[in-house]
This record gives sequence, C-alpha cells and structure tokens, in this order.
Amino acid sequence: DAGVIQSPRHEVTEMGQEVTLRCKPISGHNSLFWYRQTMMRGLELLIYFNNNVPIDDSGMPEDRFSAKMPNASFSTLKIQPSEPRDSAVYFCASSFRRRNTIYFGEGSWLTVV
Amino acid sequence: AQTVTQSQPEMSVQEAETVTLSCTYDTSESDYYLFWYKQPPSRQMILVIRQEAYKQQNATENRFSVNFQKAAKSFSLKISDSQLGDAAMYFCAYSAGTASKLTFGTGTRLQVTL
Repeated sequence: DAGVIQSPRHEVTEMGQEVTLRCKPISGHNSLFWYRQTMMRGLELLIYFNNNVPIDDSGMPEDRFSAKMPNASFSTLKIQPSEPRDSAVYFCASSFRRRNTIYFGEGSWLTVV
Repeated sequence: AQTVTQSQPEMSVQEAETVTLSCTYDTSESDYYLFWYKQPPSRQMILVIRQEAYKQQNATENRFSVNFQKAAKSFSLKISDSQLGDAAMYFCAYSAGTASKLTFGTGTRLQVTL
C-alpha cells in the first residue's frame, strides 16, 4: 500500500513568495495532520483534520499559514507570504482514528531565502 | 497539558550491544498510547513501536522492546543487537485515547559505533 505522499520534497523560494505544500493521506485514513520540524522548536503540530474538518489549528503560527482538506484524499498547507523563519521540514501524517497510529510522509523541506 | 520528556540528548552504543533510551511523560488521562519513532538522516519519521496504556504486557518488535511503567509514567526503548542502521534520532511520543494527535519529546540521537 502507498504511504502518505507529500510534494514537493524540496522547495527553495524567495521571501514573499507563496508556498503550497501538498499531501495525499493513506487511503481509508480519516485523520490528517500537518507537523513542522525545526532545530529550535522540534516537532510541532500545526493543524489536524478529522473527516476533512479542521479540529485543532491552534498550532498554526499566524495568518500567513492556511490549510485545507477539500476531500478525503488531498490536503494543502499554504504559506503566503513566506519568510525565512518558515524554513523547516513540513510533515504530513495520517491515521485511522480508532487505531491511533499515525503514519508520516517523507516530509517537504522548505527553504525560504 | 501532556508533556513528553527525553532526558538523553545523545547516546552511543557499540554494534551488537544493547542500549536503552529513556522517556517519561505526564498526563491525567487513563486511556492513551505511547510510541517510539525513528528519524534517520533522510528525515523520514518511521514508527518503531507502539504501546497501549491499558495493556500491561510490554510491546516488542523484533530487536526493539519497551519497558512501560504506567505508575511511574515511564516508557523506555531497548534496542538489542544494535546495528549500524539503527543510528538515528529517536522520538518518544504520546497520544491521548480520544484525540490521536501526537505530542513529541525532544529526541535522543543514537550513535552506533563499530
């Protein structure tokens, strides 16, 4: 079975540009998570969805960040405008809620210069 | 709020030896899950092992096993017969039973030497 699929794997962009990260969860999973990993802050939960509905977005750093899940097989995390401090690895993860085990994608490495 | 603490920033083990990574957590929940994830240099997060709090038996997965002490809120990972491929960051994580989001510790970097 395919795992969680993220794109792009690597992105380098200039400050002020819009960045869109994409995620396809594991088929049949009904929970989706966006995490960010930096050296300073470790792994942080940004937002998570259950059945395509955002449940907790308290980790979203500011209004420049937005996330959507239009259907069960696709989610986006958008940063507009991007700033150098947004440079991080962004992970998408999914789970079947009753089983409480979360599987991660390979991450999207974002560098904002 | 739930917290997860990994007090060992770095550990080292010789190949074929055994190493134990420590993790403690704090929660008021009675139903929860604990996990160890491995993150090699590729940065991928790989699930190593999972423990349900209601189970008294310690989970095992091949060379990986845990020592789950519920009263002490301790959840250590033992790696037996260490291999070079075990070198990675290891994260302990907690998930409450009613909401499956993970809370991570700060990680332990494991080095495996010849």
